Amino acid sequence: DQQVKQNSPSLSVQEGRISILNCDYTNSMFDYFLWYKKYPAEGPTFLISISSIKDKNEDGRFTVFLNKSAKHLSLHIVPSQPGDSAVYFCAARAGNKLVFGAGTILRVKS
Amino acid sequence: DADVTQTPRNRITKTGKRIMLECSQTKGHDRMYWYRQDPGLGLRLIYYSFDVKDINKGEISDGYSVSRQAQAKFSLSLESAIPNQTALYFCATSDPRDRGREKLFFGSGTQLSVL
Repeated sequence: DQQVKQNSPSLSVQEGRISILNCDYTNSMFDYFLWYKKYPAEGPTFLISISSIKDKNEDGRFTVFLNKSAKHLSLHIVPSQPGDSAVYFCAARAGNKLVFGAGTILRVKS
Repeated sequence: DADVTQTPRNRITKTGKRIMLECSQTKGHDRMYWYRQDPGLGLRLIYYSFDVKDINKGEISDGYSVSRQAQAKFSLSLESAIPNQTALYFCATSDPRDRGREKLFFGSGTQLSVL
């Protein structure tokens, strides 16, 4: 039973436009949420995070939104750049552990 | 040089063989983790260690064992490899003193194929 779900396996966006990656979770005990980005042949790298007491966190072109009532998390990338093409993993913390989603492949076309 | 180094990068082995994946880190972090990535399943936690004397099972520890030889070294063993252990394996570290201690630092991964 996957507690963190990324229902879109892939997303294709034109350079300069907005990319929106979505994540749903089922465990109401999750108190911290993170996004990781992964390029081929590399390990995932931390991108941005948000505490459950907030509904938005922004870092440059990246913004994460949290809707606790809907148990939904989204990552907005504006404007999208070709270098953003990667696999994006959503993750949620419960206690000392992170639970990851299956990932979404983002392709930004130039 | 990479902060979290995994060896080997690729490994092909046969069913029933014992293999070891190694991880070393220069970040000075106490916490280390082993994850595996499978298509459609994301990253799943195998084992984790919060210090040299601490070893904990993750969600999919069956068929695996670990050894924390030092603060900087954490190895993963498959005692008798089977084909469904074919996956991409990642080692990661984190610093509990970091306010964002959920921030994991990953190695580049080991692609393991069990034939």
